[in-house]
Amino acid sequence: GDSVTQTEGLVTLTEGLPVMLNCTYQTAYSTFLFWYVQHLNEAPKLLLKSSTDNKRTEHQGFHATLHKSSSSFHLQKSSAQLSDSALYYCAYNNNRIFFGDGTQLVVKP
Amino acid sequence: GPKVLQIPSHQIIDMGQMVTLNCDPVSNHLYFYWYKQILGQQMEFLVNFYNGKVMEKSKLFKDQFSVERPDGSYFTLKIQPTALEDSAVYFCASSPLGLGVYAEQFFGPGTRLTVL
Repeated sequence: GDSVTQTEGLVTLTEGLPVMLNCTYQTAYSTFLFWYVQHLNEAPKLLLKSSTDNKRTEHQGFHATLHKSSSSFHLQKSSAQLSDSALYYCAYNNNRIFFGDGTQLVVKP
Repeated sequence: GPKVLQIPSHQIIDMGQMVTLNCDPVSNHLYFYWYKQILGQQMEFLVNFYNGKVMEKSKLFKDQFSVERPDGSYFTLKIQPTALEDSAVYFCASSPLGLGVYAEQFFGPGTRLTVL
């Protein structure tokens, strides 16, 4: 069945360092991948989305490239900020969102 | 941007009682969803709803759960009777497109349900 896998449950890093959150997926349908971000006590919000193979998508300093050959959609940022601390979900949409388990990003000063 | 509203923000009830969670979706959206998030755990899909009907539901959508949207008013999730394990934050979402492909879902702020 469809699935989204995020290998890291928790990523802790120092402000200014690069961020990379892993996401791989398995789906029998057309490939449309999303990253949602959920700050504490808030609703999830769409951060990035993509359906185009090998095309970099950027928003709010984050970027991701969908690689269909490896079924990956990793989220990256060149320099982490304290305000980036949040829960990040990789997701696939097929009339309902298949969320990964989420990766908690903690950015420390 | 488009906003989904949820009422109330927090509800505390005794086990066995009925509760109705209300969602005011984005005005021109056609598809509606409920998700459940137990504290510290991932977001999980409950149900989606289109044209007055449930399209798909997960195993979490127990027989005690029901959804409706009478006459374009609130999209509601009713739990009757409630159980302790129903304590969670319930997020409503809506989207303008169905099969779903590229459609973004817009989430409400959630209703925190506490069953005592």
